[in-house]
Amino acid sequence: GQQVMQIPQYQHVQEGEDFTTYCNSSTTLSNIQWYKQRPGGHPVFLIQLVKSGEVKKQKRLTFQFGEAKKNSSLHITATQTTDVGTYFCAAYTGGFKTIFGAGTRLFVKA
Amino acid sequence: GAGVSQSPRYKVTKRGQDVALRCDPISGHVSLYWYRQALGQGPEFLTYFNYEAQQDKSGLPNDRFSAERPEGSISTLTIQRTEQRDSAMYRCASSLGGKETQYFGPGTRLLVL
Repeated sequence: GQQVMQIPQYQHVQEGEDFTTYCNSSTTLSNIQWYKQRPGGHPVFLIQLVKSGEVKKQKRLTFQFGEAKKNSSLHITATQTTDVGTYFCAAYTGGFKTIFGAGTRLFVKA
Repeated sequence: GAGVSQSPRYKVTKRGQDVALRCDPISGHVSLYWYRQALGQGPEFLTYFNYEAQQDKSGLPNDRFSAERPEGSISTLTIQRTEQRDSAMYRCASSLGGKETQYFGPGTRLLVL
């Protein structure tokens, strides 16, 4: 079945460094969502991208949807310890079935 | 307002027993999703309801798993004859409508001994 692959699996950064996680699909996606899950918490919706080449920003977070709508990225500028957690991409695969990537776990060292 | 709630938060059961997991969505949310999340993995889709109608159950692993939402609000995920491999976090999410923002509940951690 359809899958979304995320890389890297883990990322360790020093506070203040930048961080990027990538999400890739072998098929064209109608849209993509990004979620953040803090350790011990539940996934929290961050944003949805729908248009080819779309770029959205939320403070230090920049989200991109590829021109071919097969990949997406989340970039965090100048990470802070509050950014710690796992970042998931997700996509609807026809109908309302949602497929999540395996996530990228971010560790931030103060 | 109140978010999505799930009960119980933790459930320990013996292999072969049936369990029922409850999800109380945000009031007014017509869409409801069930997921299973293994440690270190993303949520795995199980089933989707639009009001009381189960519109997609393609993610249910086998016929021991079933779900219902009889009045279009509270939903129950039932696992019959539990097996150790069923141990996981079971999460519920609701949204205002299809493909709207999904709000996740705290989950029920199931441990089958």
